[in-house]
Amino acid sequence: GAGVSQSPRYKVAKRGQDVALRCDPISGHVSLFWYQQALGQGPEFLTYFQNEAQLDKSGLPSDRFFAERPEGSVSTLKIQRTQQEDSAVYLCASSLSLSSYRGGAVGQYFGPGTRLTVT
Amino acid sequence: DAKTTQPTSMDCAEGRAANLPCNHSTISGNEYVYWYRQIHSQGPQYIIHGLKNNETNEMASLIITEDRKSSTLILPHATLRDTAVYYCIVSFLIYNQGGKLIFGQGTELSVKP
Repeated sequence: GAGVSQSPRYKVAKRGQDVALRCDPISGHVSLFWYQQALGQGPEFLTYFQNEAQLDKSGLPSDRFFAERPEGSVSTLKIQRTQQEDSAVYLCASSLSLSSYRGGAVGQYFGPGTRLTVT
Repeated sequence: DAKTTQPTSMDCAEGRAANLPCNHSTISGNEYVYWYRQIHSQGPQYIIHGLKNNETNEMASLIITEDRKSSTLILPHATLRDTAVYYCIVSFLIYNQGGKLIFGQGTELSVKP
């Protein structure tokens, strides 16, 4: 497919379990973003990668959240010792590299998200 | 915090133009205006962006005021499939941030038959 894909689409975890969420960006997209969207709210930024480098992780809510993109393509968001407040939709987005920006800016392309429910 | 203000909700008749306003009075000179929409249970979808000139693509038109303090997204012939939450976002590019998006509450547009 040509779009951003995420897996699993739905995940139910018991409180205290670790989870791993996967994102496959659009081929050739250098930039990758993770966002968290609570019910009824807009998405909130978590972290940003350029290729394999994690350049901004200022939005990660705690040290239980960890993201990686070891080969500059697929990314994984890991949440350790899940809590009920972690229940949300986790969205991944990718975009072209800075050098490919048209007119100085470019849009981000989002996947369908992973809905995480912690019970 | 989001730097934009949008109405919470709007209605539009099918086939008519939908005009969605956005205020961004604190926008800085190097910040772009982006519009995204989110259909229920889907990820956000990029629509259009602009700096100071009006822009048009196959989905919509973006009108930015001369002082850049507000903008309007226009869907020229709204269909039922345009029912979604529309987000207006201002963002600029910083090398180590890559243009992260700060979403507000958005406008819930309901297109009615």
